[in-house]
Amino acid sequence: AQRVTQPEKLLSVFKGAPVELKCNYSYSGSPELFWYVQYSRQRLQLLLRHISRESIKGFTADLNKGETSFHLKKPFAQEEDSAMYYCALVYYGQNFVFGPGTRLSVLP
Amino acid sequence: NAGVTQTPKFQVLKTGQSMTLQCAQDMNHNSMYWYRQDPGMGLRLIYYSASEGTTDKGEVPNGYNVSRLNKREFSLRLESAAPSQTSVYFCATQTGNSNQPQHFGDGTRLSIL
Repeated sequence: AQRVTQPEKLLSVFKGAPVELKCNYSYSGSPELFWYVQYSRQRLQLLLRHISRESIKGFTADLNKGETSFHLKKPFAQEEDSAMYYCALVYYGQNFVFGPGTRLSVLP
Repeated sequence: NAGVTQTPKFQVLKTGQSMTLQCAQDMNHNSMYWYRQDPGMGLRLIYYSASEGTTDKGEVPNGYNVSRLNKREFSLRLESAAPSQTSVYFCATQTGNSNQPQHFGDGTRLSIL
């Protein structure tokens, strides 16, 4: 069955430190993966998608099929990055599976 | 261009009461979804609709019903609310084509006493 895991419920880093939010997936087909961000009491917003290979707000994520991972990284965390981050897998075009989320707290 | 609009934003119900959560989109998307968000459990799919006139169960459908009234609207109904249904409910849409992300509403915060 398709599954997404995010091993850290809470990740705390200091401002300016590097941050890595982990995401692993299980899916036998070719995965489509996304990262969503949810700021306090707001809607989920798309952060980035793996097919775009883009950098949004300084974040990047690389799909590693060998390790079935799609970790989110940023070299220098900012306080405004504090939020809930969800990794999501889509299969058969429109079926989404979300991970449990990681709350990132960037300390001053 | 409102995107995905959910109403109401907040609601408090007593156990046993019924309620319908509304979701409307102006993005001309084919697929619509209802999720519930609970601490430590992320988003869990309740029901989804791949197109107008079709609905399918997700991971946690018990206690809920849905209606895809037309392409724009997808409602979620609690026939007899239970405290376990206290949650934040999100509606989302997607074009229906592969590789495209979902777009979310602001959520409905529902408390069942």
